[in-house]
Amino acid sequence: SQQGEEDPQALSIQEGENATMNCSYKTSINNLQWYRQNSGRGLVHLILIRSNEREKHSGRLRVTLDTSKKSSSLLITASRAADTASYFCATGRMDSSYKLIFGSGTRLLVRP
Amino acid sequence: DAMVIQNPRYQVTQFGKPVTLSCSQTLNHNVMYWYQQKSSQAPKLLFHYYDKDFNNEADTPDNFQSRRPNTSFCFLDIRSPGLGDAAMYLCATSSDVGGGSGYEQYFGPGTRLTVT
Repeated sequence: SQQGEEDPQALSIQEGENATMNCSYKTSINNLQWYRQNSGRGLVHLILIRSNEREKHSGRLRVTLDTSKKSSSLLITASRAADTASYFCATGRMDSSYKLIFGSGTRLLVRP
Repeated sequence: DAMVIQNPRYQVTQFGKPVTLSCSQTLNHNVMYWYQQKSSQAPKLLFHYYDKDFNNEADTPDNFQSRRPNTSFCFLDIRSPGLGDAAMYLCATSSDVGGGSGYEQYFGPGTRLTVT
């Protein structure tokens, strides 16, 4: 089944540094979304980018989408300890954009 | 605040003993989803309701059933839990009203199921 693969699986950085996570997927998509999950909690939607968009910003978040390479990246600038969480990309299918297939996730640790 | 609520947050059941997890929402969203998430893995979609229409994923075991008596509530029934069903179960909603491309999902806090 279509699934996003995320890279790296785990990332440890110092507070104040930037964190970049990458997501690759296999088939054509309608949209790509990024979610955050704190340990033992539900997921929180961060940002949605549509297939006809190339870049999107929200606060300290920057998402890019390259449909020719079937890849996306999430950049968190000036990271904070509170950004420590798992980050998942999720792709919406062309035929049913309200259904999402989640990637394997990147576990981000921001050290104070 | 509008939200997705899951009860209970923690559920312990015995091997083979039926268990029901509940989800309610105040968002008035027409789509509701159930996901299973095992430790350090991606959430896996079990099924979803589009309005009243039930949509099962092809690889969801028959052991898992769902009910949606009205817009606000959705239940996940596990008829005979096995040790492999121990996981976090996440409920989510989205709104597919008005068309467009791409719908963000709103998640509840999850129910962690332990099978003894």
